[in-house]
Amino acid sequence: EDQVTQSPEALRLQEGESSSLNCSYTVSGLRGLFWYRQDPGKGPEFLFTLYSAGEEKEKERLKATLTKKESFLHITAPKPEDSATYLCAVQGSTGNQFYFGTGTSLTVIP
Amino acid sequence: GAVVSQHPSWVICKSGTSVKIECRSLDFQATTMFWYRQFPKQSLMLMATSNEGSKATYEQGVEKDKFLINHASLTLSTLTVTSAHPEDSSFYICSARDLIGYTFGSGTRLTVV
Repeated sequence: EDQVTQSPEALRLQEGESSSLNCSYTVSGLRGLFWYRQDPGKGPEFLFTLYSAGEEKEKERLKATLTKKESFLHITAPKPEDSATYLCAVQGSTGNQFYFGTGTSLTVIP
Repeated sequence: GAVVSQHPSWVICKSGTSVKIECRSLDFQATTMFWYRQFPKQSLMLMATSNEGSKATYEQGVEKDKFLINHASLTLSTLTVTSAHPEDSSFYICSARDLIGYTFGSGTRLTVV
């Protein structure tokens, strides 16, 4: 069965303190791994799509990497405005369905 | 980039009434849209896949007679919560596939009193 596990569940960082969020997945035939940012009361905002092991993508202070079993979202020198819940989702080979992880709630303290 | 508009952003209704939520793709056509439900501090759970011009596909455990989905055009899907009860109170989010991935609407907070 396709599964997505994110860790840690919550993370508190001082402003400027870099860290990584983990997304472990089990899926039959990975078609894509997606990272989203979700602010309270809002829908998820697209960040990255990764398709194959070894792929990396960057956007401002965020960098996403992918292996055959997991993905990392690295946050470099975070700012308070980076505080949000970060969701990971995978799409397998069967149909369009996404499998979401439960997210990592990130708080960046000034 | 692609934009998915969801309306209303919040709604309060009385128990036993029906509520309709709209999901529109503003600058692209979406033959398939998805409806999710999210409880506080939990992740998104797929409820159903909405297909333009045909019946929606519901996930196991989702009552199709309670959550009516209509996808009448390539830019509009609607979710109607029929005979709403307090346990239907939740955050409902739609999404659609665009050129780079999947774009989500801003969500609808439904409160049934």
